[in-house]
Amino acid sequence: GENVEQHPSTLSVQEGDSAVIKCTYSDSASNYFPWYKQELGKGPQLIIDIRSNVGEKKDQRIAVTLNKTAKHFSLHITETQPEDSAVYFCAVGTNAGKSTFGDGTTLTVKP
Amino acid sequence: DTAVSQTPKYLVTQMGNDKSIKCEQNLGHDTMYWYKQDSKKFLKIMFSYNNKELIINETVPNRFSPKSPDKAHLNLHINSLELGDSAVYFCASSRGTLYNEQFFGPGTRLTVL
Repeated sequence: GENVEQHPSTLSVQEGDSAVIKCTYSDSASNYFPWYKQELGKGPQLIIDIRSNVGEKKDQRIAVTLNKTAKHFSLHITETQPEDSAVYFCAVGTNAGKSTFGDGTTLTVKP
Repeated sequence: DTAVSQTPKYLVTQMGNDKSIKCEQNLGHDTMYWYKQDSKKFLKIMFSYNNKELIINETVPNRFSPKSPDKAHLNLHINSLELGDSAVYFCASSRGTLYNEQFFGPGTRLTVL
């Protein structure tokens, strides 16, 4: 089955700095790569996603890059704010409908 | 207004009991899921239904039995609860199985004593 590795497991940055979280996957048939943000006491919520035919996607302060050859993708958050503090999950999906989640990254943005 | 709702939000019970968690989505989605999130925050898929048909069944003890009476509902019944079942259980839904952005419910925190 699919194996998704996410790094780092914890990340602490100063407000205004950038944060980068990386994921690698094993199944070359995977074609959908979403990122979810989970705030304390809530369910995960999609923040950005990318499909396998695109190398990069940006939405205001967040961006995702995908390298299909190397089987890795990354989340980039610029100009971090305290409200960005949360647990972030990458996921890898296939046409069969199954999404495998990474183990999560706890991001702390210090004011 | 709630897109994906779960009841109850908290569930505290004794070992050996049987309990159910209900999930409903009002998004008109075809696919629904159950996830288990353990104390380390790891999120693992348990089951997925598409149009009331089971399509994903991960390695989950058969004490766990999902039931989908219609596309908008996916309930989870757990028999003979064990200490290791303590976790937060999330229901989610998506429009379909392709490029499936998932919408998660608020979670049910199950504590087995």
